[in-house]
Amino acid sequence: SQQGEEDPQALSIQEGENATMNCSYKTSINNLQWYRQNSGRGLVHLILIRSNEREKHSGRLRVTLDTSKKSSSLLITASRAADTASYFCATEDFGNEKLTFGTGTRLTIIP
Amino acid sequence: DTEVTQTPKHLVMGMTNKKSLKCEQHMGHRAMYWYKQKAKKPPELMFVYSYEKLSINESVPSRFSPECPNSSLLNLHLHALQPEDSALYLCASSQESRDTEAFFGQGTRLTVV
Repeated sequence: SQQGEEDPQALSIQEGENATMNCSYKTSINNLQWYRQNSGRGLVHLILIRSNEREKHSGRLRVTLDTSKKSSSLLITASRAADTASYFCATEDFGNEKLTFGTGTRLTIIP
Repeated sequence: DTEVTQTPKHLVMGMTNKKSLKCEQHMGHRAMYWYKQKAKKPPELMFVYSYEKLSINESVPSRFSPECPNSSLLNLHLHALQPEDSALYLCASSQESRDTEAFFGQGTRLTVV
């Protein structure tokens, strides 16, 4: 299974600090995506990074991809209480329509 | 309209019941998905529809039966479920089935009693 492993499983930081989450996967990918989920409801897409890209930014989010190490990281800068959520990486396998989610990181921002 | 709408939000059903989950999107997306998510676990892919045709079935038991009546609608028919099927069922859609972001609905929280 391509399911990614995320690290750490849980992270608690003070508001205003930066949060970094890591994702590792096993096989070749078309792209890697990051999603946020609040309170066990729907997922919200954050960023898609393709296999030929190394870094992408969106507002306070920065995603890196290292295909040689089969890993990605999500950095949230200047965290806010509203960033409290579960964050999942998801990989789209090369030549496949499937989007497979990682184990997730539960982020708690302490006001 | 960038919403994927799922109904109902909550569903309690007995093991002998037949029920259906519904999903609708009006973004012109050609791919639609069903995921199952247990508590504190990641979503697990169940089915993928591409251009209204079933393209992926992740070895889902036949008590779950998907249907795509048209490009905007996706149903999941449920019959003779087990208590372990209780979960959050998420519908998603994307422009194409590859290399695009997915938009998720808020899910149906299903309890089988």
